[in-house]
Amino acid sequence: DAMVIQNPRYQVTQFGKPVTLSCSQTLNHNVMYWYQQKSSQAPKLLFHYYDKDFNNEADTPDNFQSRRPNTSFCFLDIRSPGLGDAAMYLCATARRAVNQPQHFGDGTRLSIL
Amino acid sequence: QQQVKQSPQSLIVQKGGIPIINCAYENTAFDYFPWYQQFPGKGPALLIAIRPDVSEKKEGRFTISFNKSAKQFSLHIMDSQPGDSATYFCASGDSSYKLIFGSGTRLLVRP
Repeated sequence: DAMVIQNPRYQVTQFGKPVTLSCSQTLNHNVMYWYQQKSSQAPKLLFHYYDKDFNNEADTPDNFQSRRPNTSFCFLDIRSPGLGDAAMYLCATARRAVNQPQHFGDGTRLSIL
Repeated sequence: QQQVKQSPQSLIVQKGGIPIINCAYENTAFDYFPWYQQFPGKGPALLIAIRPDVSEKKEGRFTISFNKSAKQFSLHIMDSQPGDSATYFCASGDSSYKLIFGSGTRLLVRP
């Protein structure tokens, strides 16, 4: 009964080779988030959507992009991954109302060769 | 002003002990304070949350204490169990739908 599903759970790519991570949700939540989490650190927000309205964090690298084709799905595209992009990538969703909890998926662990 | 400071970085207690994790915030616009629990290889899961109109909230063995004037809040885990060993993150939110996370506390509960 997983509600926020991330695929794949583990992804290996080569330095500079584009990669796409996916997230789907069954909660019908309006807001979706992408976070980057490095070992022993807090999740770092990359961007989020209110419905289809895209909001980029000021310090998100330019080679990170996202698409949300519909309410249920959201994608994270890394155009030219560098070694520093190796991390866990977390997707989360929330209802579009104040003080709502964020529901996280179990993440995709990205390794760069 | 957007930071949330969390301490300690790591904590070891014996089974049955009461670990306490503390967080402090600066932005008075924050009005939502959740705690998340994260196990290795899993995403963070909401544990308990509080709003500034109450000073304490209990859910099972987990209690949040909130001090609005000091801009601090803390998580207490009663009768801690080895299964509680995880990383705990506090967070603060406002009307922007975003959360600012603390740096995390790695808790180990020894049998």
